[in-house]
Formats: sequence, C-alpha cells, structure tokens
Amino acid sequence: NAGVTQTPKFQVLKTGQSMTLQCAQDMNHEYMSWYRQDPGMGLRLIHYSVGAGITDQGEVPNGYNVSRSTTEDFPLRLLSAAPSQTSVYFCASSILTSGRARTGELFFGEGSRLTVL
Amino acid sequence: SQQGEEDPQALSIQEGENATMNCSYKTSINNLQWYRQNSGRGLVHLILIRSNEREKHSGRLRVTLDTSKKSSSLLITASRAADTASYFCATEVGDYKLSFGAGTTVTVRA
Repeated sequence: NAGVTQTPKFQVLKTGQSMTLQCAQDMNHEYMSWYRQDPGMGLRLIHYSVGAGITDQGEVPNGYNVSRSTTEDFPLRLLSAAPSQTSVYFCASSILTSGRARTGELFFGEGSRLTVL
Repeated sequence: SQQGEEDPQALSIQEGENATMNCSYKTSINNLQWYRQNSGRGLVHLILIRSNEREKHSGRLRVTLDTSKKSSSLLITASRAADTASYFCATEVGDYKLSFGAGTTVTVRA
C-alpha cells in the first residue's frame, strides 16, 4: 500500500519563486492536511480539507494556497517563496469520524524538505 | 498556539530501561494521540486514548490520561535501540485541527 505520497522530497527555491508540493493518498480518506515542521516548534497546521471542494485554514496559512479537486490529491502551493518558508512540509490524511472528535489517526507522508534562498 | 507540551525535551536511557515522557495540554479534549517520528521520516501513529479512558496499552507502550490535571504520559518499557526517535502528543483543538507539541527526543544507548 502506498499510503500518503509526497513529491518532491527535496526542493531549493529562490526568494519570490512559486512552486507546488504534491500530496496523494490511496486510502479514500476524506480528511487531508498540510503541516510544517520547524526545529523546536513541533508541527503547525497550514491548511486542511474535509472533502473534495472543501478547504480551510489552519494555524499558519499565510503565503500558502490549497485546493482539493479530488479525494486523492491535496496540493500545497507557495505563491511567492520567502526564506521564512524554509521548512519540512508534511501531508497527512485521516478518516472522519461521527463522534465528538472529528479526525481519527493521521497517516503521514515522508515529508518534503524545502529550502528558500 | 500549540495545545500540547511534552516534557522532557530530551531523554537518554540505556537499552532495557523504561522511558517516560509527559504531555500537558490547555483545553478540554475528546481524545489524545501519541506519535513517533524517526529521524528524517514522517510521523507514525502509536496510540489514541479517549477522554473517558484512564489507561491504555499497546505492546510495550502504556499511555495514561488524567483529564483533571490535563496531562498524559507515555511509558515505553524495556527500551530498544529502535525506540530512538522523537515522540509527540496531539490533541484536537476545534473541529478538524490536530495540534502537536514540540516533542520529546528519546535516545536509547546500546
């Protein structure tokens, strides 16, 4: 099983360039999300989606754009890269539950390491 | 802002010893999850404990939850070199938003 697949694994950008980080899952999960991980700060939620056509902002959405046209794919776009966006980016997916807790166990990709010069 | 905070930040133990790490959180929760991250890899889910549970086991892992103190602990018994990793607690803050702490880095010495 592929699970959650992220591409590229590594990327170097110059300030002002744009790019898209790809995320695909083959588990038919309704919920998908993007996190960034910086040293000493844990993971911070950028954007998330609860189904095709539905996206919402997380804790640190500025400078990022997302769309969800299919259940499987959830790309993250950097509109105009800045050095502050140098980070490791993780995509994660989950089923949605009908209980009070909405998200179940998150399945993570292996990460995309982005450096902005 | 982050909901959970792990303590200690780092832990070094001998193989075969037990490792205990704690997570404190700020607001009431429906459940609390623990994840492991090996160096350079994605996070892997370890265990989920619901707010009405006090203790849960999975193999060599034991998780406790004290909602009155807003805290949880993760115990790894009989540690192995393969347990060397960072461990994170996560709680849902508002619908669909899972918040992670900064993690505890565990090093198991041979």
